[in-house]
Amino acid sequence: KAGVTQTPRYLIKTRGQQVTLSCSPISGHRSVSWYQQTPGQGLQFLFEYFSETQRNKGNFPGRFSGRQFSNSRSEMNVSTLELGDSALYLCASSPGQFLVGTEAFFGQGTRLTVV
Amino acid sequence: KNEVEQSPQNLTAQEGEFITINCSYSVGISALHWLQQHPGGGIVSLFMLSSGKKKHGRLIATINIQEKHSSLHITASHPRDSAVYICALTPDSNYQLIWGAGTKLIIKP
Repeated sequence: KAGVTQTPRYLIKTRGQQVTLSCSPISGHRSVSWYQQTPGQGLQFLFEYFSETQRNKGNFPGRFSGRQFSNSRSEMNVSTLELGDSALYLCASSPGQFLVGTEAFFGQGTRLTVV
Repeated sequence: KNEVEQSPQNLTAQEGEFITINCSYSVGISALHWLQQHPGGGIVSLFMLSSGKKKHGRLIATINIQEKHSSLHITASHPRDSAVYICALTPDSNYQLIWGAGTKLIIKP
């Protein structure tokens, strides 16, 4: 059974550009959550999607958006990139409600560098 | 005060030593998770606990719900155990995980 796949693994972008990150969850999983990890802030919740609907959202500006497709694959978009957006972006999938009554399954992450 | 506190923040030990990492929290939870993050970023879930104790290989996780405390133990530690160990909570009140700051463990050969 394939794990959670995030693409690309590494990305370098310039300030002001936009970026789209992709996450393919484990087959059969309907929930996808996104996290930002930076050295100073640790892991911070971005949003969770379940069956194509955003179910929860963290405290991030509107430049951060996401969506989920009917096959449960999810994309995260960041517009007007800032230097502070440089981070590791992690995606996790779950069969149902994220991490309630089930183990966590994380991808390897996408390391975004904004220059 | 943070809702979840991990200790120690950093831990360096010799191969073979018994390792304990602690997690204390202040909110009601439905589950507590221990996760491992290796250099390079990927996170692996080790345990999900709501009560008692779980064991997997050389890893043991315990939780005391009344005391709001959990521990992760590693027996016969090995350099490949070097990683950041993260405690995360699923609170009663909502679906958003609360993450600990992590414990960076280095095991020297």
